[in-house]
Amino acid sequence: AQKVTQAQTEISVVEKEDVTLDCVYETRDTTYYLFWYKQPPSGELVFLIRRNSFDEQNEISGRYSWNFQKSTSSFNFTITASQVVDSAVYFCALSDSSGNTGKLIFGQGTTLQVKP
Amino acid sequence: EPEVTQTPSHQVTQMGQEVILRCVPISNHLYFYWYRQILGQKVEFLVSFYNNEISEKSEIFDDQFSVERPDGSNFTLKIRSTKLEDSAMYFCASNLMRTYLNTEAFFGQGTRLTVV
Repeated sequence: AQKVTQAQTEISVVEKEDVTLDCVYETRDTTYYLFWYKQPPSGELVFLIRRNSFDEQNEISGRYSWNFQKSTSSFNFTITASQVVDSAVYFCALSDSSGNTGKLIFGQGTTLQVKP
Repeated sequence: EPEVTQTPSHQVTQMGQEVILRCVPISNHLYFYWYRQILGQKVEFLVSFYNNEISEKSEIFDDQFSVERPDGSNFTLKIRSTKLEDSAMYFCASNLMRTYLNTEAFFGQGTRLTVV
């Protein structure tokens, strides 16, 4: 079955520290998509990145970077020089083709607290 | 930029009452979803809808739940007789396709349902 595991429930760092959020997934699909979403205290889901299974290039967007490794089924997210505004819950998600409907399977989320 | 719109943003209802959560998906999208997030937990798939019928539903989506697209624009989730455990954030999502080759998953801002 498709599954996403975010083993870190909560992480607390001090501003300007780098932090990595881990995501490990399980899937039998050869083609799949991975996502990261940010959920601030206001509750909405803010899309951060989509990555397909054929593209293992790491991606950098400003202070954010993502490391996709198919060999270890991981899609980790690093925030460099963290800021207080990065405090949020972060979800990793996987597209699930089992029902052929395009639904997403979410991990449990990691709560990141960045202290000033 | 196109967006998925949900109303209301917050609804409080008495146990046993019926509620209807409304969503306006992106206009040319074909696949529609409802997800639920109980406070402090992960986002869970409820149901997917395509071609005017349910294409997949989770175990959570029991007979108390129903969805419809009454007028070709709105996509609604109805809970017939709410229970305390239905209190959650409900997210609507829509996609043009059921894969994510060139697109993200578009989520609405959520409706926070509180059953008292």
